[in-house]
Amino acid sequence: GAVVSQHPSRVICKSGTSVKIECRSLDFQATTMFWYRQFPKKSLMLMATSNEGSKATYEQGVEKDKFLINHASLTLSTLTVTSAHPEDSSFYICSARGGFGNEKLFFGSGTQLSVL
Amino acid sequence: QQPVQSPQAVILREGEDAVINCSSSKALYSVHWYRQKHGEAPVFLMILLKGGEQMRHEKISASFNEKKQQSSLYLTASQLSYSGTYFCGTEEGSTLGRLYFGRGTQLTVWP
Repeated sequence: GAVVSQHPSRVICKSGTSVKIECRSLDFQATTMFWYRQFPKKSLMLMATSNEGSKATYEQGVEKDKFLINHASLTLSTLTVTSAHPEDSSFYICSARGGFGNEKLFFGSGTQLSVL
Repeated sequence: QQPVQSPQAVILREGEDAVINCSSSKALYSVHWYRQKHGEAPVFLMILLKGGEQMRHEKISASFNEKKQQSSLYLTASQLSYSGTYFCGTEEGSTLGRLYFGRGTQLTVWP
């Protein structure tokens, strides 16, 4: 099956710093990737749709300048949390459709961000 | 856009059955079901695309009603490994590609 790799799995940073999370599709090309955020014991909230070669599409209420998304190639999307604050602490997960004609959504392993 | 999922939690004995429901106020393009274990990423269970469709994977099955607004996940003769949080994810025709998830159903299976 399709594999989505996400790094790092865990990051702890100081308030005010920026953190970059990478999401790679290992065995297929993903023109579109999705970024979700999950609070403890809560649902996955769609943050944005990452489009290869164009601007990301953000969901209502998600700050574009806070969560910068770059999809520079068909296999890599990055999410940068800028000037992180404690309230940004969360579990971030990327996902991608499993290639052409594959409707399934495959998830990365997630990144637990803790902002001190 | 977020589907309504129920119940919020289920506690079962091994071998018992459970049903989890997912509904939308609009007709959907597709509905997906995932299971997530604590601290891990969600794992795909099944996808339903057609109204009236039923899918099965071992002892877990799912249905999608004719109007494509409601789906149910059926766990038969539950096993300890079924424990986890189940999410339905729905996709609308107007926002193809984007999956919106319900609040989840926490399933606990005891021996």
